[in-house]
Amino acid sequence: SAVISQKPSRDICQRGTSLTIQCQVDSQVTMMFWYRQQPGQSLTLIATANQGSEATYESGFVIDKFPISRPNLTFSTLTVSNLSPEDSSIYLCSVESGGWGTDTQYFGPGTRLTVL
Amino acid sequence: TQLLEQSPQFLSIQEGENLTVYCNSSSVFSSLQWYRQEPGEGPVLLVTVVTGGEVKKLKRLTFQFGDARKDSSLHITAAQPGDTGLYLCAGRGYSSASKIIFGSGTRLSIRP
Repeated sequence: SAVISQKPSRDICQRGTSLTIQCQVDSQVTMMFWYRQQPGQSLTLIATANQGSEATYESGFVIDKFPISRPNLTFSTLTVSNLSPEDSSIYLCSVESGGWGTDTQYFGPGTRLTVL
Repeated sequence: TQLLEQSPQFLSIQEGENLTVYCNSSSVFSSLQWYRQEPGEGPVLLVTVVTGGEVKKLKRLTFQFGDARKDSSLHITAAQPGDTGLYLCAGRGYSSASKIIFGSGTRLSIRP
């Protein structure tokens, strides 16, 4: 299993500013994932962050808007840049553990972002 | 593109009633998982099913993986207010590079 913490748990930001979300895992993991979730809805994968290489972004998400850092095997940050009200959402980081076909994803508690 | 559709989208029932949530796709998955998420928390894994036709039970929850590995169901017997939450199915393809695809979600509310 993995225990994941995120900071901040919530924030209210002004349009045009940026927010950096931190994700800390209690064990070393190869891949970390960043998701976006509208309250009560499903998860949308933003990007996969591997230590020592550039993050891989999903369709519709770009590095300029969502820069990611992965300095070591237990930590990652996601920055949401040039904020607009449409960025208001819950942002979750996640890691996988287990063998192929039975991987379990463990999630942090999420960061609730409100953009005014 | 692999998609997982869940139904119903919302369900509000009385404590003690039974319910079933469905997760359907036109794609085949190597494994399928069910997660439950409560407000202010991340999703938490309930079960993983990996064999077509497999049935797993977790107390009052029964999970089934379809024979063709394209669908799954979650049945809750005698629902309790503690079952309230967002239920998400998630499937993984056969490639070792396949990512987990999350379903559209079912918001369940159990009234005392």
